[in-house]
Amino acid sequence: EPEVTQTPSHQVTQMGQEVILRCVPISNHLYFYWYRQILGQKVEFLVSFYNNEISEKSEIFDDQFSVERPDGSNFTLKIRSTKLEDSAMYFCASVKGTDTEAFFGQGTRLTVV
Amino acid sequence: GESVGLHLPTLSVQEGDNSIINCAYSNSASDYFIWYKQESGKGPQFIIDIRSNMDKRQGQRVTVLLNKTVKHLSLQIAATQPGDSAVYFCAGSNTGNQFYFGTGTSLTVIP
Repeated sequence: EPEVTQTPSHQVTQMGQEVILRCVPISNHLYFYWYRQILGQKVEFLVSFYNNEISEKSEIFDDQFSVERPDGSNFTLKIRSTKLEDSAMYFCASVKGTDTEAFFGQGTRLTVV
Repeated sequence: GESVGLHLPTLSVQEGDNSIINCAYSNSASDYFIWYKQESGKGPQFIIDIRSNMDKRQGQRVTVLLNKTVKHLSLQIAATQPGDSAVYFCAGSNTGNQFYFGTGTSLTVIP
C-alpha cells in the first residue's frame, strides 16, 4: 500500500538553527500539506501546496517557514531560526484530488533546545 | 507557566460496548469530513469520510453521522476493542483539499 514517508523521525536542534523536514508524498497525488501538532494538542494546518506553489497557508506559517518541492518527489518544510515553541510533531500529508482523504506520514518530532 | 498533559476530552468504555465520539464544526461551508484515528507517536490514520450531501455513512464497525443543521458530526464504533484505544479527530474541508482538525477525543477501552 502506498504511503507518505517522512524523515527524520526525530530531529533535535539548537534554538536559532535552521532545520529541513523531508517528506515523500504518494506518487500520483497532487496536493501536499504540512501540519504540526504540539504535544497534547490538536493537529494544526500550516500550508498546502499545489501545482508547485503554495495554495493556502495559516497564520502560523510566517516568514520563518518555507516549503519546496525541489525534484518532483520530495516535499520539504524549512524552518529558519528555530524557536523553543517550534517543538512539535510535524506531519506531511498528500491528497490525490479534491474531496478525497488525506494520507499522513508518521511525522517528524522536532525538539528545539 | 507551562502546561503539561493532555487537553483533550476523554472517553472510557468497556470492551464490547459501543462508543460514540462527537465533534462540532463552525464553518457552515464545510462540505467534506473525515474521522481520523491517531495512536501515540503516529500520524493520523483515515477511518471514514462523509460528504455534506449525506447524513450517514457506514464502514466496518464504524458509522459516521452528520447533522448539518447543528453542525455536528459523530463517530460510532461498534463492539469497541482494546485496539480502538487512540485519539480520534474529526477534520473538515470547505475548499476540497485543505483540512481543519477538531481538538480530538482520547478513547480508552477497558478490557
